[in-house]
Amino acid sequence: DAKTTQPPSMDCAEGRAANLPCNHSTISGNEYVYWYRQIHSQGPQYIIHGLKNNETNEMASLIITEDRKSSTLILPHATLRDTAVYYCIVRTYDDYKLSFGAGTTVTVRA
Amino acid sequence: KAGVTQTPRYLIKTRGQQVTLSCSPISGHRSVSWYQQTPGQGLQFLFEYFSETQRNKGNFPGRFSGRQFSNSRSEMNVSTLELGDSALYLCASSLDRVFGEQYFGPGTRLTVT
Repeated sequence: DAKTTQPPSMDCAEGRAANLPCNHSTISGNEYVYWYRQIHSQGPQYIIHGLKNNETNEMASLIITEDRKSSTLILPHATLRDTAVYYCIVRTYDDYKLSFGAGTTVTVRA
Repeated sequence: KAGVTQTPRYLIKTRGQQVTLSCSPISGHRSVSWYQQTPGQGLQFLFEYFSETQRNKGNFPGRFSGRQFSNSRSEMNVSTLELGDSALYLCASSLDRVFGEQYFGPGTRLTVT
């Protein structure tokens, strides 16, 4: 069962930052926060993951609150190609099964 | 480096038939997982293979099975197909079981009529 709660949908203007929230209030100390996205009819794509520090890569930034009960994925300059379903997943590093919830459908508008 | 490939991309079968789907992981990746995606249930984990052994299994009936070959390529088989097996079947590969990131293929769209 998914251990995260995400809003079902959100809109974002092209060129603006998209901030995607995720609630994981029952996260345990050895569980990481992972983000994947799935563009229509394609396989999910890994975005980023973190344990407790904020993380940044070429795709996005991940901000995890100090109590680790929630996080925010930031797409700094959203493009139309970022329109997708975004999944926030909590898992231990060696828990190979990914438990996907319903995710957030992000629509980037021109 | 080539990504995860899955064949065939589309498949139409009749109830009661069986089907075999194939997945070739990224070169050097040794772990392969399979997922089923349907509009009603979303993405659900089927099973994971590493070093030719099934290491994890999701909550699916025994009609769903798989195997992994010595070159890490994997196949999954569904016997006695039911209408509810219509789904997108996704394969994901990972360098190692504890490495973290999984890379997904484009999927096989199975339609059971």
